[in-house]
Amino acid sequence: EDKVVQSPLSLVVHEGDTVTLNCSYEVTNFRSLLWYKQEKKAPTFLFMLTSSGIEKKSGRLSSILDKKELSSILNITATQTGDSAIYLCAVEANTGTASKLTFGTGTRLQVTL
Amino acid sequence: KAGVTQTPRYLIKTRGQQVTLSCSPISGHRSVSWYQQTPGQGLQFLFEYFSETQRNKGNFPGRFSGRQFSNSRSEMNVSTLELGDSALYLCASSLRSDAQFRNTEAFFGQGTRLTVV
Repeated sequence: EDKVVQSPLSLVVHEGDTVTLNCSYEVTNFRSLLWYKQEKKAPTFLFMLTSSGIEKKSGRLSSILDKKELSSILNITATQTGDSAIYLCAVEANTGTASKLTFGTGTRLQVTL
Repeated sequence: KAGVTQTPRYLIKTRGQQVTLSCSPISGHRSVSWYQQTPGQGLQFLFEYFSETQRNKGNFPGRFSGRQFSNSRSEMNVSTLELGDSALYLCASSLRSDAQFRNTEAFFGQGTRLTVV
């Protein structure tokens, strides 16, 4: 059974700090790894990482995929209170004729003043 | 471009009842996936539909079912509700090609918060 584990489960940081969120996975027929930010209800897409694109950056956020270690990290520099959210990692795997997303339980980030 | 729309937003049902949730995907998206999110379990995959066909199914009992219509709108049904079915049900749509699988992100709706009492 495909498995995605995120750590830490929760963390609290001060505004301006840098944080690193971790995601490790065990899946069969890996296709891609995705990061989402969930503030209230709808998760919003952040990054997709594949074998051909193992590093992505957008503003203060960046992510790296380590296919050898079957893991990924999401970095947030100079954190702001607006970064407070649950960060979800999901892995897409082939299932023959289709693909499936398996999510981790998420990391709850709280940024305080 | 309108996003993924889920209705209703909130729902309270009693044990034993059944419920139908609706999801309208982004225009042009043909794949619709359903997820159940609870504090302890995180996001759990329920099923995926593409072109009115169920392509993937998660590990949920047969009380959970779904369907997709020709306009790509999808419904999810839960029969004989149990207290443990209380959760946020999220729908996600994505642009998929059944001829060539291209990695693409899924766009989520706001979800339906179901409470079973």
